[in-house]
Amino acid sequence: AQTVTQSQPEMSVQEAETVTLSCTYDTSESDYYLFWYKQPPSRQMILVIRQEAYKQQNATENRFSVNFQKAAKSFSLKISDSQLGDAAMYFCAYRSYFQGGSEKLVFGKGTKLTVNP
Amino acid sequence: DADVTQTPRNRITKTGKRIMLECSQTKGHDRMYWYRQDPGLGLRLIYYSFDVKDINKGEISDGYSVSRQAQAKFSLSLESAIPNQTALYFCATSDPNRGNTEAFFGQGTRLTVV
Repeated sequence: AQTVTQSQPEMSVQEAETVTLSCTYDTSESDYYLFWYKQPPSRQMILVIRQEAYKQQNATENRFSVNFQKAAKSFSLKISDSQLGDAAMYFCAYRSYFQGGSEKLVFGKGTKLTVNP
Repeated sequence: DADVTQTPRNRITKTGKRIMLECSQTKGHDRMYWYRQDPGLGLRLIYYSFDVKDINKGEISDGYSVSRQAQAKFSLSLESAIPNQTALYFCATSDPNRGNTEAFFGQGTRLTVV
């Protein structure tokens, strides 16, 4: 079974600075998807960024980017120019590539990000 | 209107009571899921369904049951609520056949069992 580990329960960053959230995962599969979800105080789960394992290029969405190291099974999220609105819980998640019973998302325990003004 | 709607948004119930959490979606997705979120534990899968005739247990299904009444509706029941079922519950949908690799979540239901 796949597992996802987020080793940082809490992180803090100064507004306008850069912060990196860590995520490692364990799987025997070669093809899969990885995600970062954001959960603000409104508790809505919002997709931040997605990475397909077969793509070598790291995904980027505006101020959010990932460092995907497939061999190391590492998937970190970098937030540049942090804003107060980035304060939230961030969850790393894994999904198998193959269909037919394996589309479940497996989540890490989350990292609470605080942004200081 | 939200694509995935959960009702109620908040609920307080007493130990031993039966309670149903409802989820409906307008995305037309086949896959529907119920997750439970606890502080420090992330989201854990309770049940999932790939179509009306397909129901599967997740990692923490004990004490819960589900019903897929239609493609768009997936309800979660607690037959006899207990305090350690106090949590935030999420319904989610996905449809990999349409190229949607991610899950789409409802707003969550905060359930408190006293």
